[in-house]
Amino acid sequence: DAGITQSPRHKVTETGTPVTLRCHQTENHRYMYWYRQDPGHGLRLIHYSYGVKDTDKGEVSDGYSVSRSKTEDFLLTLESATSSQTSVYFCAISERAGQGSEQYFGPGTRLTVT
Amino acid sequence: AQSVTQLDSQVPVFEEAPVELRCNYSSSVSVYLFWYVQYPNQGLQLLLKYLSGSTLVESINGFEAEFNKSQTSFHLRKPSVHISDTAEYFCAVSDVSGANNLFFGTGTRLTVIP
Repeated sequence: DAGITQSPRHKVTETGTPVTLRCHQTENHRYMYWYRQDPGHGLRLIHYSYGVKDTDKGEVSDGYSVSRSKTEDFLLTLESATSSQTSVYFCAISERAGQGSEQYFGPGTRLTVT
Repeated sequence: AQSVTQLDSQVPVFEEAPVELRCNYSSSVSVYLFWYVQYPNQGLQLLLKYLSGSTLVESINGFEAEFNKSQTSFHLRKPSVHISDTAEYFCAVSDVSGANNLFFGTGTRLTVIP
């Protein structure tokens, strides 16, 4: 299994509070991704990173920010959590872009915003 | 932009029966095609992928999928399912010239009945 951990694995927070989710990899892969999974929507890309300090928006980036100061860590921040951000969040990594390179997924973080 | 349609949200099937999970995609550019599987309370794992060449691709656990360009489909099949195949299956596409970003379908939950 690819070495990907996510923390925390579960979190309950209140509307309006800031939340940071962490993704840590031990594979030294260049590309990292944050997805959210919701019933009826599958997985949707929030943000991705193509190197240290290099990030870009995905399909559903509003209300989220990311940072990547080290190759191994990719942080997802909800500046002011809302109930619509209740979801399961998955981090993924990939060695390279294009050529159908496989993405490896972490175990997920279940976030509940009350 | 790409999109993926999985029309069947749930597919119940008896053990040792055949199964087909349908996937259709829409894209204005050439794409790579993937099937990912998600077992309960886990992240996603790559099941198989089509990049180029033979339109029939196989996985190590007996699944196969066929790329049909004219019908823009990539249906997943298995001739005889096992209890352990119970999981959610996601079809995904990525742009061959893009940053490896995956666009997922909404998923099909396969339940194998003893």
